[in-house]
Amino acid sequence: SAVISQKPSRDICQRGTSLTIQCQVDSQVTMMFWYRQQPGQSLTLIATANQGSEATYESGFVIDKFPISRPNLTFSTLTVSNMSPEDSSIYLCSVGGTSGRYYEQYFGPGTRLTVT
Amino acid sequence: TQLLEQSPQFLSIQEGENLTVYCNSSSVFSSLQWYRQEPGEGPVLLVTVVTGGEVKKLKRLTFQFGDARKDSSLHITAAQPGDTGLYLCAGAISYTGKLIFGQGTTLQVKP
Repeated sequence: SAVISQKPSRDICQRGTSLTIQCQVDSQVTMMFWYRQQPGQSLTLIATANQGSEATYESGFVIDKFPISRPNLTFSTLTVSNMSPEDSSIYLCSVGGTSGRYYEQYFGPGTRLTVT
Repeated sequence: TQLLEQSPQFLSIQEGENLTVYCNSSSVFSSLQWYRQEPGEGPVLLVTVVTGGEVKKLKRLTFQFGDARKDSSLHITAAQPGDTGLYLCAGAISYTGKLIFGQGTTLQVKP
């Protein structure tokens, strides 16, 4: 499976600011996704990061709040804009289709964000 | 809307006990995955089941996919403290690559 890294691993930010999270994969992958997770709870899909085109957002998530870039097949960024304490969460990137099975996803270690 | 109901949400047992976690839906899934997540880490894929009725074993863990591909179970035999973590089931939405996750089961195994 692909090796996925995320930066930063954690951060504490002030409300009103923005944070960009990076996701780097050690091989080219077809699909990349961004999730949000409250500690100890399940994952909620934010968007699918599409290479060369705009990301596809799930219901309840908008581009102005969570702009996503995917300049190539190994890298993506998620920005959390104009943060509020409600944005405090763990943000995870994942990749899919690496083993020829489109339905299997592999996850990065996550970015723990605290907004004060 | 496809949903996955996972139960129980919390489980605290003694080392050596057996347990079963259930994942149910009214929808059919093309495949179902089970993940385990430890604090500070991302979920790690344990197994994928694809065929209705399929049973897969991973050491003391047994995974089963329902005949109708609407439900799955995870059975752990003789649980150990190292099994402690958050267990997540996830169903694949056909041809999209997207997953729907259950609510998760937090397992604590006490020595």
